[in-house]
Amino acid sequence: GAGVSQSPRYKVAKRGQDVALRCDPISGHVSLFWYQQALGQGPEFLTYFQNEAQLDKSGLPSDRFFAERPEGSVSTLKIQRTQQEDSAVYLCASSLAGKGPPSQPQHFGDGTRLSIL
Amino acid sequence: AQKITQTQPGMFVQEKEAVTLDCTYDTSDQSYGLFWYKQPSSGEMIFLIYQGSYDEQNATEGRYSLNFQKARKSANLVISASQLGDSAMYFCAMRANTGFQKLVFGTGTRLLVSP
Repeated sequence: GAGVSQSPRYKVAKRGQDVALRCDPISGHVSLFWYQQALGQGPEFLTYFQNEAQLDKSGLPSDRFFAERPEGSVSTLKIQRTQQEDSAVYLCASSLAGKGPPSQPQHFGDGTRLSIL
Repeated sequence: AQKITQTQPGMFVQEKEAVTLDCTYDTSDQSYGLFWYKQPSSGEMIFLIYQGSYDEQNATEGRYSLNFQKARKSANLVISASQLGDSAMYFCAMRANTGFQKLVFGTGTRLLVSP
């Protein structure tokens, strides 16, 4: 497809389980972002990749959160020992270049809705 | 640090009328970009319009226009001739043009268009 693809669309896990969320960005997009959107809130930045390099992980809420993009395309966000407060929609976005024209938008996927029981 | 404020939790408008969604921002950056995104119930964030901090003219994209008042640090979205399909959450966001260009979002405004 032409857009950002995220899977699974929905994920339910028990507290304490590990989860992995996948993001397949638009082909050729260098930059990849992960955001967390709590219910009724705007998205909040988690981490940023330029190709395979994770250049900013300042938004990751704890060391239970880990993201990777080993070949510079598909990215995985992993959450270990999930807690109820991890319940949220996780959005992935990609853009063409890391420092391209300021007007270039980030293109978002449909998100993964994570529910921790 | 950057901050976006959207003070309208919800807005109602009748079909074919215009509506303005408010957005104010705070930043110490001199060069930045402002964005509006639409989020339907399906969850996807759809890019609508962009305004650069040095752009002298207000941005327009079809039925969307951005009323940019730099001195007041406001970037309101104007939707003309509302359609039923415009019912959604609308988010204002900004990013600095330095660094890695992460977006900072507001809390959003839910727009409901009635027939």
